[in-house]
Parts: sequence; C-alpha cells; structure tokens
Amino acid sequence: SAVISQKPSRDICQRGTSLTIQCQVDSQVTMMFWYRQQPGQSLTLIATANQGSEATYESGFVIDKFPISRPNLTFSTLTVSNMSPEDSSIYLCSVGTGAEAFFGQGTRLTVV
Amino acid sequence: GENVEQHPSTLSVQEGDSAVIKCTYSDSASNYFPWYKQELGKRPQLIIDIRSNVGEKKDQRIAVTLNKTAKHFSLHITETQPEDSAVYFCAARRNTGTASKLTFGTGTRLQVTL
Repeated sequence: SAVISQKPSRDICQRGTSLTIQCQVDSQVTMMFWYRQQPGQSLTLIATANQGSEATYESGFVIDKFPISRPNLTFSTLTVSNMSPEDSSIYLCSVGTGAEAFFGQGTRLTVV
Repeated sequence: GENVEQHPSTLSVQEGDSAVIKCTYSDSASNYFPWYKQELGKRPQLIIDIRSNVGEKKDQRIAVTLNKTAKHFSLHITETQPEDSAVYFCAARRNTGTASKLTFGTGTRLQVTL
C-alpha cells in the first residue's frame, strides 16, 4: 500500500493567481498521477509525472496551465496557473503499487 | 484511447436489497478493472478489482463480473446497508507494471434508504 499526503486540503484563490499543490508519498514510486474532479463529476487524468523527465499531459491539458515538478521518487507538485473560476475543482494525486492505485485526500480549490 | 461508460448515474435501493452497476469499455487491450467507492468529501477507495483472466470475483457482499467478449463488467452489492451510500466509479486500464493510468467511468451515486 501507499500513504499519500497532499496539501493544501483546500484553498480559496483569486482569479489570475496560481496555486501549487504538493503530494508526498511514503515510498518510492516510479509514476505519480494528477487528476481533476470537477463538482459532481468523475476523475479526469491531467498528467503523468515521471521522475527525471517531463510530465506527459492528457488531451486538453497543457504544461503552461498545469506545470508539474517531480524532483524525486516520493514527491511531486502540480501548479494551477492563472486561475479562473472554471478551475474550481478537486485535484488529486495518485500513485500505483502493483495493480492498485491510491489517492491523496485531494485539494478542494475554489477560484473567486 | 480508452472510453468507459457507466450506468446508472443514480441508484436508489432499500436497505437489504441488491444494487447492480454496469460499465462498458472500448479498449480491448484493457485487462484490469477496479471499482472505487468515494464517500462525500473523501478520496476514492478501492473496494474490489478484477483482472481479465477471471470472470468473477467476490468479497463478502461485493462481487464483480467481467465479460471480455462483450467488454463490460458489473459491480454487485448484496444486502445493502446505509453505509454503502456513496459514489461508485468503475475504471479500466492496460496493466503495464507499476503504471496506474486509469480511465474512470462517470460514476454512480448509490443511495440506500431505510
């Protein structure tokens, strides 16, 4: 199993600003994943973060808007840049150990 | 890419009754199918999963069935209890070692009434 600490748990931000979300895992993992869950919706993968290489972004998500860092095998950050109210969502990081995927507790972002 | 459809979007059952949630997937190479339960304000938690070499798996009141030919899989909850009330997501992926890129269904909000 994996224990994931994600912070902040929630934030209210002004439009036009940026927020960086941190994800810390209690074990070394090759890949870390960032998801977005809009209110009442499913989880949509934003990007996959590998240590030592650039993140791989899914269709509809770009690095300028969601820059990701992966400095080591236990930590990653996701930045939501130049925020607008449409960015209000829950953002979750996830790691896999074997087959199972584990999730952080999520960051509830509200952009006003 | 993979596309996972899930039905129904909402489901209301009486306590003690059974609940069934169905998913279909598009990528014939997918071979791992987990189900997640997400309670309000909490993170998704794995409740059961099935691999493509198995047609059915059961864990107490929860079971999952898989039909690879038809590309659909289902979650069955028997003897439902109020604490089963939550949103349930199915997912699918190609199992590539420790990679866990999952494609999720749209979710089913299950309400168990007394």
